Amino acid sequence: GAVVSQHPSRVICKSGTSVKIECRSLDFQATTMFWYRQFPKQSLMLMATSNEGSKATYEQGVEKDKFLINHASLTLSTLTVTSAHPEDSSFYICSARDLGIHGYTFGSGTRLTVV
Amino acid sequence: AQKVTQAQTEISVVEKEDVTLDCVYETRDTTYYLFWYKQPPSGELVFLIRRNSFDEQNEISGRYSWNFQKSTSSFNFTITASQVVDSAVYFCALSEAGNTDKLIFGTGTRLQVFP
Repeated sequence: GAVVSQHPSRVICKSGTSVKIECRSLDFQATTMFWYRQFPKQSLMLMATSNEGSKATYEQGVEKDKFLINHASLTLSTLTVTSAHPEDSSFYICSARDLGIHGYTFGSGTRLTVV
Repeated sequence: AQKVTQAQTEISVVEKEDVTLDCVYETRDTTYYLFWYKQPPSGELVFLIRRNSFDEQNEISGRYSWNFQKSTSSFNFTITASQVVDSAVYFCALSEAGNTDKLIFGTGTRLQVFP
């Protein structure tokens, strides 16, 4: 079945630095990808929708200049958390729209800790 | 706007008990999809079921069953003879066919099954 590979699985960074998270669709072309953030014991909140070759669409309240999304190819989408702060510490998970029975394929998630 | 409500924050049962997780959704679309996912402590999302709005048939898969009722906008999930391995957070989710396919999650229900 469809697989989305997400890296890194865990990252610790210093406050003020930037972190890039990658999601690759391994055996299918992902025209649309979604990025979610999940704080401890909370739900998955959609941050943005990215379409290959165009600008991402951000949900209300998500800072587009802080969370940079690039979807330059049909198999790769990246999320860069710029100037990270401790409040950005969270679990980030990507999802690709797929045409199989599942409808969506999720990456395994990235646990970001900003110290 | 699409919305998913999971009123049960946490449920605790003893092994072999049956348990039902409730899900109520809101949408203005006539074509939409409903999902259930399991999220174990590792964080990865495990796909359980996808159901489109035109298929109200109940579904059974092993110990799992789903009851979809459009009249009450509900898509409830029942685990029969629960096991310790069923302990996880379960999310109900909704996507609207005409809304960029965004997948919106409910707040989740944490299920604890005790031996």
